[in-house]
Amino acid sequence: GAVVSQHPSRVICKSGTSVKIECRSLDFQATTMFWYRQFPKQSLMLMATSNEGSKATYEQGVEKDKFLINHASLTLSTLTVTSAHPEDSSFYICSASGRGIEQYFGPGTRLTVT
Amino acid sequence: AQSVTQPDIHITVSEGASLELRCNYSYGATPYLFWYVQSPGQGLQLLLKYFSGDTLVQGIKGFEAEFKRSQSSFNLRKPSVHWSDAAEYFCAVWGGNEKLTFGTGTRLTIIP
Repeated sequence: GAVVSQHPSRVICKSGTSVKIECRSLDFQATTMFWYRQFPKQSLMLMATSNEGSKATYEQGVEKDKFLINHASLTLSTLTVTSAHPEDSSFYICSASGRGIEQYFGPGTRLTVT
Repeated sequence: AQSVTQPDIHITVSEGASLELRCNYSYGATPYLFWYVQSPGQGLQLLLKYFSGDTLVQGIKGFEAEFKRSQSSFNLRKPSVHWSDAAEYFCAVWGGNEKLTFGTGTRLTIIP
C-alpha cells in the first residue's frame, strides 16, 4: 500500500515554456503533499507543502509565481514550472502523507530545460 | 529547528561485510527518525523509522537502526551487505515544524 506516482518521469522543455508535473496517491487519501527539489549528488530540499483545497505554503527562497502548486483533490497535486529556464533543470520529487506523519515518496521527475 | 548530519559522504564496503552508516540529529524533543534509500534516478524508499519504544528498530532488506538519545544518533546497520545495496542513503528527522529535514546523504559503494 501507500503508492505515490509521478508523471512524467522525464521531461525536456525549451526555455521560456511551462511544464506541469503530476503527483498522485494511488491507494490512499493524501491530506498533505510535499514537493522537493534535488540537485545532482545533493539532498532533498523542501520547496512547498500543500494541503488539499488550500494554498500551498512555500519555503523561504522558493518563488511562488514560478513554481505553481495545486492540490485540488485528496489524490492529486500538480507542480507547474512556469517560464522555465536552464537553472530550473533538476530532479523533482513529491511525497504524500495521510493522517499520519509518514511521507510516501514518488519516483521523481527529471526536468531538463534547454 | 531540527537538523541532521551524516558525516560520511561516501562509504565503500566489500560485499558480505558489515555496514554502519552514521546519523546525528539535533532536535529539542524526542524526534521521529527515518532512514531512506535512493537508487540513481529514483525516488526514496523507506527503510525504517523510529517513533518511540524499543530503540532498536528493524527495517526492510535486513537493515536495522538504533536510536541513542544520549548521543543524538540514529545509525543504520546491516550485518552483511549485498551488491544491490549500493545506493544513496538519507537519514531524516521530523520535528515540530511538521517537516522532514534530510541529511546530506551517504553514497554506498559495494566492491566484489
